[in-house]
Amino acid sequence: GAVVSQHPSWVICKSGTSVKIECRSLDFQATTMFWYRQFPKQSLMLMATSNEGSKATYEQGVEKDKFLINHASLTLSTLTVTSAHPEDSSFYICSARDGRGNEKLFFGSGTQLSVL
Amino acid sequence: AQSVTQLGSHVSVSEGALVLLRCNYSSSVPPYLFWYVQYPNQGLQLLLKYTSAATLVKGINGFEAEFKKSETSFHLTKPSAHMSDAAEYFCAVIKGGGGKLIFGQGTELSVKP
Repeated sequence: GAVVSQHPSWVICKSGTSVKIECRSLDFQATTMFWYRQFPKQSLMLMATSNEGSKATYEQGVEKDKFLINHASLTLSTLTVTSAHPEDSSFYICSARDGRGNEKLFFGSGTQLSVL
Repeated sequence: AQSVTQLGSHVSVSEGALVLLRCNYSSSVPPYLFWYVQYPNQGLQLLLKYTSAATLVKGINGFEAEFKKSETSFHLTKPSAHMSDAAEYFCAVIKGGGGKLIFGQGTELSVKP
């Protein structure tokens, strides 16, 4: 079955540094990828939708300059948390849509970000 | 360890018929459970969530789900399907003390006229 690889699964960083999270579709081309954020014991919040080769569409309230999304190829999207602060600590999940016509959605395993 | 299993990767109903999407969970502690929906060309949306209050949870668009501890189930229902309900539905459970979401495999709902 289709697999979405998300890396790293866990990262700790100092306040003020930037962190990059990768989301790869391993055996299919993902025309669309979604980035979500989840606070502990709460539901997912959609942050942005990215389509290969174009700028990401951010949800209301999500800072574009803080959460940089790049979807440069059909198998890779990255989320960079710039100048991270403790309030950015969260669980980030990506999902990718299979562009082969079945439009099924597959999830990465998530990245737990802790900012000290 | 917490996990969820969605029975049936594809469900097809006629417009106006009952919608029943099945979800069973395994959890060593009282779980937080969620149903999400993904409409075509959109991201996930939260339909409803169970957080140990009322066992019957009402969500958006006429959907509801009942938490049954004895059956470890959290099935999603809607009395009368609309064409606009055609989408993929995901059941999810909060995992562990860290609160990470674990998703089921998804069930695609088709609605026939």
